Amino acid sequence: QVQLVESGGGVVQPGRSLRLSCAASGFTFSGYAMHWVRQAPGKGLEWVAVISYDGSYIFYADSVKGRFTISRDNSKNTLYLQMNSLRPEDTALYSCARVGYSGSGASGWFDRWGRGTLVTVSS
Amino acid sequence: EIVMTQSPATLSVSPGERATLSCRASQSVSTSLAWYQQKPGQAPRLLIYNTSTRATGIPARFSGSGSGTEFTLTISSLQSEDFVVYFCQQYYDWPLTFGGGTKVEI
Repeated sequence: QVQLVESGGGVVQPGRSLRLSCAASGFTFSGYAMHWVRQAPGKGLEWVAVISYDGSYIFYADSVKGRFTISRDNSKNTLYLQMNSLRPEDTALYSCARVGYSGSGASGWFDRWGRGTLVTVSS
Repeated sequence: EIVMTQSPATLSVSPGERATLSCRASQSVSTSLAWYQQKPGQAPRLLIYNTSTRATGIPARFSGSGSGTEFTLTISSLQSEDFVVYFCQQYYDWPLTFGGGTKVEI
């Protein structure tokens, strides 16, 4: 079955970096756009970034633009989020999510989510 | 960005009753709207996409309607497992945005 498993979270000081991974299985990873979505403790959902199925289209939320980099390795069925210059307001559960259809589109609904990895930015 | 506003923040309903959740967009999103259910400690689960299409495996008691700026998720007869949080999301324009959520409580 479809599985998305995030890893790489942890406690980090402000200004430092962290790299998250999302291992995908049970579907043709290279056929789907993938997203990162975060949820601060006790808060709602915030979309973070998207990468198209082939990596040719990338877009970020303004809150992370210039600091975060989304990428993918289709040979390893893995999605990444490189997070630099971390701020306390980046503290959240980070989840990867699959767009709900295969093909060239990047926007859409999310039909599969991972359970997330917690990032805490604190001195 | 398109701001999504859900109401009410908390909805108190009895089991077996009907629940109506609202989601309003700050500008038209056509029918590019999805609904998710989130249980404590779990990832969101897709319920509805394209305003009214139920996702695979979603019971028929869940239905969605609306267009433009006003959307509704209706749960026709609440079961015990339905008393959780629901989010709407627009995918009409970037950045993708979510509503703040509605908690359905007994």
